Amino acid sequence: QQQVKQSPQSLIVQKGGISIINCAYENTAFDYFPWYQQFPGKGPALLIAIRPDVSEKKEGRFTISFNKSAKQFSLHIMDSQPGDSATYFCAASTDSIQGAQKLVFGQGTRLTINP
Amino acid sequence: SAVISQKPSRDICQRGTSLTIQCQVDSQVTMMFWYRQQPGQSLTLIATANQGSEATYESGFVIDKFPISRPNLTFSTLTVSNMSPEDSSIYLCSVVGSTGAKNIQYFGAGTRLSVL
Repeated sequence: QQQVKQSPQSLIVQKGGISIINCAYENTAFDYFPWYQQFPGKGPALLIAIRPDVSEKKEGRFTISFNKSAKQFSLHIMDSQPGDSATYFCAASTDSIQGAQKLVFGQGTRLTINP
Repeated sequence: SAVISQKPSRDICQRGTSLTIQCQVDSQVTMMFWYRQQPGQSLTLIATANQGSEATYESGFVIDKFPISRPNLTFSTLTVSNMSPEDSSIYLCSVVGSTGAKNIQYFGAGTRLSVL
């Protein structure tokens, strides 16, 4: 019940295209859903996050779509650029006053943007 | 934001030995965690480092194998004890910091451990 399932495992997109990564969860107690971006040799860095009171959140070229009834959320990268090539992790947690805690991570998606 | 420094950044160790990884944060933080990322895999939470008390371990991780210290609100150590090749992973420290009204979990660059 604590799992977060992420797909696809790897993704190749042409420059300028739209990259879409999907995640699904089972634990209805999750109420915080961040996406992390990780470059080789670096730690994960928060990209964008959403809470279940909204269905979509957009920050620049990055958009999270959230479907509470289906227990699914996805990351869309518009106008994908070679610099977006990285591994992306979705995650979920039961947030609290103290902040995002005990993140449960998806399996990761290795995204490659071809020039 | 929080700036996290981990030492060492990488190490190669012999089977049966132990390695202590240090995590230093540039500001006082309430929540501090240790994760493991096996090669090409996702991140798995090892434990929550509690200041002034014993760490809280996740299922599958025990204190004898991964002793953790947290003497203050800016520093923690994780020891990987009696290492075997299966312990070869990236070990990551993370903290919860505040940016405005939002609480965000930040990660260090990790310690890349290879056990021979």
